[in-house]
Amino acid sequence: EDKVVQSPLSLVVHEGDTVTLNCSYEVTNFRSLLWYKQEKKAPTFLFMLTSSGIEKKSGRLSSILDKKELFSILNITATQTGDSAVYLCAVGASGNTPLVFGKGTRLSVIA
Amino acid sequence: DTGVSQDPRHKITKRGQNVTFRCDPISEHNRLYWYRQTLGQGPEFLTYFQNEAQLEKSRLLSNRFSAERPKGSFSTLEIQRTEQGDSAMYLCASSSDRGSRDGYTFGSGTRLTVV
Repeated sequence: EDKVVQSPLSLVVHEGDTVTLNCSYEVTNFRSLLWYKQEKKAPTFLFMLTSSGIEKKSGRLSSILDKKELFSILNITATQTGDSAVYLCAVGASGNTPLVFGKGTRLSVIA
Repeated sequence: DTGVSQDPRHKITKRGQNVTFRCDPISEHNRLYWYRQTLGQGPEFLTYFQNEAQLEKSRLLSNRFSAERPKGSFSTLEIQRTEQGDSAMYLCASSSDRGSRDGYTFGSGTRLTVV
């Protein structure tokens, strides 16, 4: 059975800190790994990663995938209170099977 | 088209009642997914459609749950004889089968509370 494990499950940091969120996975016929941000309601898309070692970047957020070690990290630099959310990692397999999600990491950024 | 719409946003029902939720996906997306999310958990897959065909159902989907997508556009999820354990956020998402670079687009969800 496909599995996604995120760590830590929760994290409290001060504004300006840098955080690293982890996602490890076991999936048959891996196709892609995705990161989502979930505030109160709908998860919103951050990144899709398909190739090892290629960093994706958007502002203060960046992510990278290691297909050999089966994990990904999401980095947030210079955190702001608006970064407070649950960050979800999901993996997709070939054949377009539905995404499998981890439990998420709840990030709280305090002023 | 402003995204994936779900209705209602909140539903409170008494145990044993039936409930139905609706999802309107992005119009050009032919895939539609239902997920359930409880507190402290990630979304758990329930079922998905490609056009009007229901292609996969999770073992989480008991026989009290049924989903339809009659014309390949909107979808409904019905829960019969609701139980307290059905209380959760029900999320709908859509995607294109042409290899979307943005993964799934989620709706805001329907929060169900069974009392």
